[in-house]
Amino acid sequence: DAGVTQSPTHLIKTRGQQVTLRCSPKSGHDTVSWYQQALGQGPQFIFQYYEEEERQRGNFPDRFSGHQFPNYSSELNVNALLLGDSALYLCASSLEGRGWNIQYFGAGTRLSVL
Amino acid sequence: DQQVKQNSPSLSVQEGRISILNCDYTNSMFDYFLWYKKYPAEGPTFLISISSIKDKNEDGRFTVFLNKSAKHLSLHIVPSQPGDSAVYFCAASMPLSFGAGTTVTVRA
Repeated sequence: DAGVTQSPTHLIKTRGQQVTLRCSPKSGHDTVSWYQQALGQGPQFIFQYYEEEERQRGNFPDRFSGHQFPNYSSELNVNALLLGDSALYLCASSLEGRGWNIQYFGAGTRLSVL
Repeated sequence: DQQVKQNSPSLSVQEGRISILNCDYTNSMFDYFLWYKKYPAEGPTFLISISSIKDKNEDGRFTVFLNKSAKHLSLHIVPSQPGDSAVYFCAASMPLSFGAGTTVTVRA
């Protein structure tokens, strides 16, 4: 049973560029959440997708956007990259109706903005 | 504004002894609390949780205690094992708000 998978594992971009990160949820899960983890900090909630809609959003600017596909996989897009966007981006999946509090995380995508 | 705080960035404990990790929160609306464990190069993995209607939850070597009046929770690991060496995150929902983590090192 495959867990949460994220791609790519590492990414280097320059300021002003755009980036797309991808996530496949754990088998059977229908809800995907994205988090940003800066060095030495805990993960910060970006947004959550369920039924292809953004259901909740954290305190992140509109430069951060996402999408969920019919197969429940998801993408995180960040436009106009800033140096401060350098972080580990984590995707987590859960099953609606079973308590989405308990989320299963992927290993993350390490984004470096130069 | 950080709503979940772990004030101890690190903890070193001898194998076989008890590890106690602490977490404080500010938002009284939080109704569910979780602990996650993270090894290097891996994503956080769920460890144990507790609902706000309880004050204790136990799962094997792991016990979480919740003190709502103090807005404080703690994780006890007994006995500590070398494989417990990891970063531990306290989180509260919803949505999940994480603390900065405590790095636990279990000495042989």
